[in-house]
Amino acid sequence: GNSVTQMEGPVTLSEEAFLTINCTYTATGYPSLFWYVQYPGEGLQLLLKATKADDKGSNKGFEATYRKETTSFHLEKGSVQVSDSAVYFCALRDTNAGKSTFGDGTTLTVKP
Amino acid sequence: NAGVMQNPRHLVRRRGQEARLRCSPMKGHSHVYWYRQLPEEGLKFMVYLQKENIIDESGMPKERFSAEFPKEGPSILRIQQVVRGDSAAYFCASSPGTGGIYEQYFGPGTRLTVT
Repeated sequence: GNSVTQMEGPVTLSEEAFLTINCTYTATGYPSLFWYVQYPGEGLQLLLKATKADDKGSNKGFEATYRKETTSFHLEKGSVQVSDSAVYFCALRDTNAGKSTFGDGTTLTVKP
Repeated sequence: NAGVMQNPRHLVRRRGQEARLRCSPMKGHSHVYWYRQLPEEGLKFMVYLQKENIIDESGMPKERFSAEFPKEGPSILRIQQVVRGDSAAYFCASSPGTGGIYEQYFGPGTRLTVT
């Protein structure tokens, strides 16, 4: 079956530091890959996505590249802000499937 | 266009009672998904429904849990005879179609506490 493994947290960074959150996956087909962000007490918001190999998803300074050869979709941001503090989830969904499979989440805290 | 709506946002039930969670998908979306998030964990898929049909219930516990998405009205996730282990956040998502090219839009969740 499908699975997603995320870098364990929590991650604490100073403002303007570089961020990497690792994500690797196992899938039987050719999934689409997603990063979601969850702020305290709220639901998930889509941050970015990539639907095929070598695609790069980007949004609000965050980027992730779909690497089929390493089955990875690592999230990066060049300069984090305090407002980026949240829980980040990596997820995948098969081309013809309804359900998404999520990683366990990585909590990011950015200090001023 | 209103987002996915869930109610109630918070629900407290005593052990043995029934919990009923509602989800109204985004306008134009006929695909609904329910996920459960236990404390400090990721989201786990429970069930995928289209109007009047259960498409995939592979993540639903075999007993006490049921879901429906009637022709009219919201999708309902029903938990009978709740136990403390049912305490979690339950999220609903909707999409206009199935498959990876369609984004799933998530509601704010219902936080169930069983006392």
